[in-house]
Amino acid sequence: QSVLTQPPSVSGAPGQRVTIACTGSSPNIGAGYDVHWYIQVPGTAPKLLLYGNNSRPSGVPDRFSVSKSGTSASLAITGLQPEDEADYYCQSYDTSLSGSIFGGGTRLTVL
Amino acid sequence: EVQLVQSRAEVKEPGESLKISCQGSAFKFSDYWIGWVRQMPGRGLESLGIVYGGDSDARYTPSFQGQVTISADKSISTAYLQLNSLKASDTATYYCARHQGNAFDIWGQGTMVTVSS
Repeated sequence: QSVLTQPPSVSGAPGQRVTIACTGSSPNIGAGYDVHWYIQVPGTAPKLLLYGNNSRPSGVPDRFSVSKSGTSASLAITGLQPEDEADYYCQSYDTSLSGSIFGGGTRLTVL
Repeated sequence: EVQLVQSRAEVKEPGESLKISCQGSAFKFSDYWIGWVRQMPGRGLESLGIVYGGDSDARYTPSFQGQVTISADKSISTAYLQLNSLKASDTATYYCARHQGNAFDIWGQGTMVTVSS
């Protein structure tokens, strides 16, 4: 059981908008710690997708954005493309564990 | 290009020990924390802990304290993850990743570890 909760799967058709929620609690997201997002194509290493307050590493399109409120965060993907099909993970810091924590991951399927 | 390169895949028997390496290049290794992340087959990501490249100061996620040993050698820009008394449940892919601002911004390619008799 992950400290951060994500839906196991989401899906959408090409061109659509999808969101992936990441629910935490008071020792992590609720304490104001940043939430970061990673993309992992099966069989490859995870890559940083978004960090902090909607910051993107070089090469990440602005179709990807994040929001945060209270003890939750959300990743939004607009203009869905076939290459977006992958696993997505949220990550934050937990003060009670004194370390980084990940969500359980969400498999995005592009229909 | 900033990168982390990990040691190759390993197959071990139960009870054996293993030390995985992660060498950084194109950045000042001694200024960064390096994290280790486990991914069991078909499962999600779990943070094991982080180590400071400058002095090998290690911080462990509580559930992995005592189960793994993380270290670093700044002279060769390399971080290590040691697993002792391997069990079948240690079968996983282990990733190292550069830790910056509480995010993991650069990842190694992963080291697949199989523990089987």
